[in-house]
Amino acid sequence: DVKVTQSSRYLVKRTGEKVFLECVQDMDHENMFWYRQDPGLGLRLIYFSYDVKMKEKGDIPEGYSVSREKKERFSLILESASTNQTSMYLCASSPMTERSRDGYTFGSGTRLTVV
Amino acid sequence: RKEVEQDPGPFNVPEGATVAFNCTYSNSASQSFFWYRQDCRKEPKLLMSVYSSGNEDGRFTAQLNRASQYISLLIRDSKLSDSATYLCVVNENFGNEKLTFGTGTRLTIIP
Repeated sequence: DVKVTQSSRYLVKRTGEKVFLECVQDMDHENMFWYRQDPGLGLRLIYFSYDVKMKEKGDIPEGYSVSREKKERFSLILESASTNQTSMYLCASSPMTERSRDGYTFGSGTRLTVV
Repeated sequence: RKEVEQDPGPFNVPEGATVAFNCTYSNSASQSFFWYRQDCRKEPKLLMSVYSSGNEDGRFTAQLNRASQYISLLIRDSKLSDSATYLCVVNENFGNEKLTFGTGTRLTIIP
């Protein structure tokens, strides 16, 4: 069974802390994505990556950075957490274009609360 | 204008009824289309891809109208277990794997 694993299900952090959200996939997918999901706003793309050491900004990259040192792992970093980054964070992966007829596979999400 | 628009609902439908959702997208060059299902406090999961010719999977039928730029999902003989939020999803650019998600339509099936 294909899997995308996010390291934490629930996380509480203080304002100003550096926060790492980890995501690992075991499907040998080229593409990986970080979204946040908020009520009434849906899923919004933060960053994505098509390959190792590659990253591209999504629609709302401000306040975030990412790292992809290995194909299976894509990390989201909040450099200095703020209360407006309280959200559900979802990681997803997909194969490259020629095999991408099945959309994304999502991890189970990390609900981050910044206090 | 939102890139992918859905009626947020909620739709409250009696068990056994037929329910239909529509979704419109703004980019006429969009290439791939999907319906995802998301249960409360869970991650989205692919329900079905949407093909130009329309496609059916059991009680679910998806259709695409490129001329009018909308996608539909029909659920027949609805079950209690169909209660969820249904997300309309579009890939706007071939070769670019970014998917754009609608905000979802919430469906509750009433016994």
